[in-house]
Amino acid sequence: QTVVTQESSLSVSPGGTVTLTCGLSSGSVSTSYYPSWYQQTPGQAPRTLIYDTNTRSSGVPDRFSGSILGNKAALTITGAQADDESDYYCVLYMGSGSWVFGGGTKLTVL
Amino acid sequence: EVQLVESGGGLVQPGGSLRLSCAASGFTVSRNYMTWVRQAPGKGLEWVSVIYSGGGTYYADSVRGRFTISRDNSKNTVYLQMNSLRGEDTAVYYCARGVAAAFAFDHWGQGTLVTVSS
Repeated sequence: QTVVTQESSLSVSPGGTVTLTCGLSSGSVSTSYYPSWYQQTPGQAPRTLIYDTNTRSSGVPDRFSGSILGNKAALTITGAQADDESDYYCVLYMGSGSWVFGGGTKLTVL
Repeated sequence: EVQLVESGGGLVQPGGSLRLSCAASGFTVSRNYMTWVRQAPGKGLEWVSVIYSGGGTYYADSVRGRFTISRDNSKNTVYLQMNSLRGEDTAVYYCARGVAAAFAFDHWGQGTLVTVSS
């Protein structure tokens, strides 16, 4: 059973930089997993931020960036704003037509 | 403008069935892969099923054999037939459009709530 790991919670100061990570319980995340990132506020549908490791979705500001850091996928937010306070989910493509989401990271801006 | 509108959710008893619909506009579902993702109350996102442009379908282990994804090209709509429903299927169900060659999802519907309870 593949488990995708994310920090359960993180905090960042307004204007600061924070990096969220997305790993595997066994093994390393590479671009071959096509990591993507989604932002969700309570009661709302997810919003696509990043796909294919580092491609920003349409309309996403460039303070959101994606990368591979070590053996994990990463989402970095620079110049954090109050409305970045959300839940963030990564998802990895496992091949054979299946995806696995991470458990999500609750980001607090304070 | 791309839009996805889910419908068909509601209250159903354990063991019952429900069919969800995802009506698309602004693009053609048969030219994209389409997926269903669910979110149990207070929990994270869980991938459920995908239908590819070629018609191939895949399912999460948790729903395989009970759920069936399909589409009606004439109505530009994707469906999720859910049978033998269990309490753990209670969730908001979202449909989403796939990003070509990127194995990700770019547009999402607003979701429809399915509650399985007696």
